[in-house]
Amino acid sequence: AQSVAQPEDQVNVAEGNPLTVKCTYSVSGNPYLFWYVQYPNRGLQFLLKYITGDNLVKGSYGFEAEFNKSQTSFHLKKPSALVSDSALYFCAVSYQAGTALIFGKGTTLSVSS
Amino acid sequence: GAVVSQHPSWVICKSGTSVKIECRSLDFQATTMFWYRQFPKQSLMLMATSNEGSKATYEQGVEKDKFLINHASLTLSTLTVTSAHPEDSSFYICSAPPQQRIFSELDTQYFGPGTRLLVL
Repeated sequence: AQSVAQPEDQVNVAEGNPLTVKCTYSVSGNPYLFWYVQYPNRGLQFLLKYITGDNLVKGSYGFEAEFNKSQTSFHLKKPSALVSDSALYFCAVSYQAGTALIFGKGTTLSVSS
Repeated sequence: GAVVSQHPSWVICKSGTSVKIECRSLDFQATTMFWYRQFPKQSLMLMATSNEGSKATYEQGVEKDKFLINHASLTLSTLTVTSAHPEDSSFYICSAPPQQRIFSELDTQYFGPGTRLLVL
């Protein structure tokens, strides 16, 4: 069965420092991997995705993620965190285009000034 | 990117009443839409898959008679919570993958802003 794990409930980072939000997945076949961000009482905003190709994916707002097949990971990264990056981040996976997403439990990112 | 809207954004209702939530794709067509539910500080859980022109597919444990789904057109899906009870209070979010390759994002799902339901 497909699943996604986000091992950290919360990540705390000082503004200007690099950040990493971890995600590992389990899916049969080639995964479609996504990162979404959610601000309080709002829907999900798409950040980036990996379908195929280059393992390093660049997305919105300076975020990037690296697909690591051997470690079945898709960690979200940003070189320099902003206070405005503070939000709830979800990693998600599907096994083909157009199918429902399976979400991780979410990681709250808190960036302090 | 593509835009998905939901209406209403907030609804408060009395126990026993029915509530209809609309999900619209504003600038693309979607033969399939997905309905998720999110409890406070929890992840999104898929409730059902809405299919234009056919019956919805429900996830295990979701009562199809309680959560009625109608996909009336290629841009509109509705979720009706019938005889709502306080335990139905939640944040309901829809999503849609574009049918056409608009913005080269055929494999990306776009989410609505969500509807917060509070049943008293």
